[in-house]
Amino acid sequence: QKEVEQDPGPLSVPEGAIVSLNCTYSNSAFQYFMWYRQYSRKGPELLMYTYSSGNKEDGRFTAQVDKSSKYISLFIRDSQPSDSATYLCAMSESDGQNFVFGPGTRLSVLP
Amino acid sequence: DAGVTQSPTHLIKTRGQQVTLRCSPKSGHDTVSWYQQALGQGPQFIFQYYEEEERQRGNFPDRFSGHQFPNYSSELNVNALLLGDSALYLCASSGLGLGEETQYFGPGTRLLVL
Repeated sequence: QKEVEQDPGPLSVPEGAIVSLNCTYSNSAFQYFMWYRQYSRKGPELLMYTYSSGNKEDGRFTAQVDKSSKYISLFIRDSQPSDSATYLCAMSESDGQNFVFGPGTRLSVLP
Repeated sequence: DAGVTQSPTHLIKTRGQQVTLRCSPKSGHDTVSWYQQALGQGPQFIFQYYEEEERQRGNFPDRFSGHQFPNYSSELNVNALLLGDSALYLCASSGLGLGEETQYFGPGTRLLVL
């Protein structure tokens, strides 16, 4: 079993849809959870950074962490074609520790 | 405010050769981490440098080595290149000494080994 699992997609949705992206993990010591967006042939761009369980909202993006289920989610409201990218979840055990990434989910938002 | 920069952007090498990749961290950051991202995969942690020392290391062989300079910039060296080393190499910077743990990534160096 991989340490961080993520459905690779591709996931195709119409413009304006609500998108739900998810990761599961096996290491209960993970406390810091991140979502990155990566456009083709570019470096990952940080979208959300959360600590422990709970929700965090930033504009059209909402991150949820459920440590009891070892499950994290990223919701994108009113999705736009410019949201088409690969979404990577990442997590670490403590501040400053290396990140463990999921394989990424390819999202395509169709106009 | 300059973000993370990496050079070169692309590189082609042959098996057995050696390569050096370079990274300049985001202004104000003192920590550099290197990742390898194979096609269709998430980034895999190679190592992290802080205060010119290797602070952490992932599951990569000794062929992968690095260095951090007093100005916080960093190099990744790979010796005896294998075909499987073909990947996007990403540098990420953070500010451990400032309590800023969030990692910001550069655009990457795409290495092709023939």
